[in-house]
Amino acid sequence: DAGVIQSPRHEVTEMGQEVTLRCKPISGHNSLFWYRQTMMRGLELLIYFNNNVPIDDSGMPEDRFSAKMPNASFSTLKIQPSEPRDSAVYFCASSSRLTNTDTQYFGPGTRLTVL
Amino acid sequence: AQKVTQAQTEISVVEKEDVTLDCVYETRDTTYYLFWYKQPPSGELVFLIRRNSFDEQNEISGRYSWNFQKSTSSFNFTITASQVVDSAVYFCALSISGGYNKLIFGAGTRLAVHP
Repeated sequence: DAGVIQSPRHEVTEMGQEVTLRCKPISGHNSLFWYRQTMMRGLELLIYFNNNVPIDDSGMPEDRFSAKMPNASFSTLKIQPSEPRDSAVYFCASSSRLTNTDTQYFGPGTRLTVL
Repeated sequence: AQKVTQAQTEISVVEKEDVTLDCVYETRDTTYYLFWYKQPPSGELVFLIRRNSFDEQNEISGRYSWNFQKSTSSFNFTITASQVVDSAVYFCALSISGGYNKLIFGAGTRLAVHP
């Protein structure tokens, strides 16, 4: 079975540009999470979706960040405009609550560099 | 509040040595889950184990073993006969049942296994 798929794997952009990160969760999973990993703050949850609905976005740093999940197999995290301090690795993870399996499985991550 | 502490920032061992990674957690909930994830140099986050708060049995999987002790709020991870491929950052995490299994991560322990 395919795991969580993220694209792109690497993104280099200039300050002020719009960045869109993409995620395809594991088929059948109904919970999706976006995390950010930095040296300073470690792994932090940005937003959580359940059944395509955003449940907790308290970790989204500011209005420049937005996330959507238009269907069960796709989610995006957008940063507009991007800033150098957004440079980090962004992970998407999914889990299934239908089978009471709360383990989150992570994608390979997107390494974002904002110049 | 929930918290996970991994006091060991970095550990360096020589191949074939045994090594234990410490994890101490804090929560007032009686039902919770504990996890270990591995992040190798390639960057992905790999799920290793999930343990619920009612199951204090130790677990062994090959060279890996986990010791869960509620009395000391610890969930330690031991690698027996370490190998170079074990070199990675290891994260301990906590989630609370009844919520949406939001993961609270420790800061991670970087393990370097030298030949």
